[in-house]
Amino acid sequence: KAGVTQTPRYLIKTRGQQVTLSCSPISGHRSVSWYQQTPGQGLQFLFEYFSETQRNKGNFPGRFSGRQFSNSRSEMNVSTLELGDSALYLCASSSKSGANVLTFGAGSRLTVL
Amino acid sequence: DQQVKQNSPSLSVQEGRISILNCDYTNSMFDYFLWYKKYPAEGPTFLISISSIKDKNEDGRFTVFLNKSAKHLSLHIVPSQPGDSAVYFCAASPTTSGTYKYIFGTGTRLKVLA
Repeated sequence: KAGVTQTPRYLIKTRGQQVTLSCSPISGHRSVSWYQQTPGQGLQFLFEYFSETQRNKGNFPGRFSGRQFSNSRSEMNVSTLELGDSALYLCASSSKSGANVLTFGAGSRLTVL
Repeated sequence: DQQVKQNSPSLSVQEGRISILNCDYTNSMFDYFLWYKKYPAEGPTFLISISSIKDKNEDGRFTVFLNKSAKHLSLHIVPSQPGDSAVYFCAASPTTSGTYKYIFGTGTRLKVLA
């Protein structure tokens, strides 16, 4: 059974640009959550999608957005990038919204210059 | 406001000895807890969980203890192995209508010395 796949794994952008990250969940999983990991901040919850609907949202500015497609694949977008957006962005999937265990992908490492 | 705290950013332990990783939480509504392990360039992987109806859960070399009155949980690894060297995150959630919304700690980097 394939795991959670995130693309791209690494990318470099400059301030003011925008970026789109992609996540393919485990087959059959309908919930996708996104987290931001930065040094000293742990994993900060961004948002969760289930059946193409945003179910929960963390405390991030509106520059951070996401969506989920009918095949459960999800994308997150960050517009007007800032230096502080440099982080590892992790996607996790589960079979249902608010499941007790999340399965994470390897992450997309974003560097903003 | 950090509701889940891992106050030790790093920990070094000799191979074969016990590793104890600590986690404190402030929200009394949290009643389900997880530990994840993360290697560099990989996503976190689930290790062990515990519900607030228990005070201990064991899985092989890994045991999690929960002290609800102190709002404290700990992960014990016995015996520690070099392959256990990783960053460990604890996460806590209230259980609302059977669903979970996790708050993660900042992680503790464990180094097991051969």
